[in-house]
Amino acid sequence: NAGVMQNPRHLVRRRGQEARLRCSPMKGHSHVYWYRQLPEEGLKFMVYLQKENIIDESGMPKERFSAEFPKEGPSILRIQQVVRGDSAAYFCASSPRLVTDTQYFGPGTRLTVL
Amino acid sequence: GQQVMQIPQYQHVQEGEDFTTYCNSSTTLSNIQWYKQRPGGHPVFLIQLVKSGEVKKQKRLTFQFGEAKKNSSLHITATQTTDVGTYFCAHQSGNAGNMLTFGGGTRLMVKP
Repeated sequence: NAGVMQNPRHLVRRRGQEARLRCSPMKGHSHVYWYRQLPEEGLKFMVYLQKENIIDESGMPKERFSAEFPKEGPSILRIQQVVRGDSAAYFCASSPRLVTDTQYFGPGTRLTVL
Repeated sequence: GQQVMQIPQYQHVQEGEDFTTYCNSSTTLSNIQWYKQRPGGHPVFLIQLVKSGEVKKQKRLTFQFGEAKKNSSLHITATQTTDVGTYFCAHQSGNAGNMLTFGGGTRLMVKP
């Protein structure tokens, strides 16, 4: 059973460009979460999605950030007009259809904004 | 979500010494989870504690949840170099009850 997959693993963007981060949850998992980790800090919740629905986006910046989890395909975290402060590791986690307490994390995408 | 404070921020130990990290909240937590993140890696779930005063063991690791469910600790006996990494506590909260709020983590370094 493959784990949570994220791509790309490393992404370099120049200021003002767009960043698209993808997450494929574990097989059978329909709940997806995105977290951001700044260097030397803990993870901060961004958004929680189920298929075609955003359930909780209380941790998402109001501007430039959006997330989706379509019926088919991976979940996407999109950052428009990136700034240097967006440089961080972005982790996706998933949990099964029945809501459980364990979230399984993917390897993360390390975003560097030049 | 409710904030959790984790101490210490860093800990250097000699291989074979014990290590403890503490997680504290000002409010009662419904549960506490512990994760390990190796350098350059991703958080890996270790355990979840739910009951007041609960104690769980995994080999050399002992996890405790306080009687008031406001604090927790992770203790490693006789550290090994493979224990190197950052240990995070986290609890669930949020509108849908699934958001994880993480502590700042304790970075453990082990000298061989």
